[in-house]
Amino acid sequence: DAGVTQSPTHLIKTRGQQVTLRCSPKSGHDTVSWYQQALGQGPQFIFQYYEEEERQRGNFPDRFSGHQFPNYSSELNVNALLLGDSALYLCASSANLDMVQYFGPGTRLTVT
Amino acid sequence: GDSVTQMEGPVTLSEEAFLTINCTYTATGYPSLFWYVQYPGEGLQLLLKATKADDKGSNKGFEATYRKETTSFHLEKGSVQVSDSAVYFCAPLTLAGGTSYGKLTFGQGTILTVHP
Repeated sequence: DAGVTQSPTHLIKTRGQQVTLRCSPKSGHDTVSWYQQALGQGPQFIFQYYEEEERQRGNFPDRFSGHQFPNYSSELNVNALLLGDSALYLCASSANLDMVQYFGPGTRLTVT
Repeated sequence: GDSVTQMEGPVTLSEEAFLTINCTYTATGYPSLFWYVQYPGEGLQLLLKATKADDKGSNKGFEATYRKETTSFHLEKGSVQVSDSAVYFCAPLTLAGGTSYGKLTFGQGTILTVHP
């Protein structure tokens, strides 16, 4: 049973560019949450998707947007990249109304 | 808003020593509580959970008890191994108002290093 997968593993972008990160949830899961983990810090909640809609959102600017597809996979888009967006981006999946979130290995984004 | 305070790290122990990592939280209502572990270069793995007051979560020799009166969820292990070296995160899952779905709020993490 495949767990949560994310792509790419690593990414280097320049300030002002745009980036798209991808996540495939664990089999049987329909809810995807995204977190940002800066170096040496705990993850911070960005937003959560269910039934192709953003269900709740953390304290992140509109430059951060997402999408969920009918097969439950999800994308995170960040526009107008800033140096401060450099972080590990984690995707977590869960079954709706289940408390447990399972995390993928993350995508390491470096903005230069 | 919701917040988590974890024991300051890093924590350095010898193999077979007793481990305690303190965690206290501030959250609305009565959240489910989780400990996640992160090994170098990897994502987060669920270590254990507790969903209501006085519940004890346990896994791989680790334990934590949901203490509602002190809003705490301290992690313990009786005898640590070198392979337990990792970063440990405490995280309550708080529900969005009036709903049954939630988000995790993480502490800053506690780095544990175990020497042979």
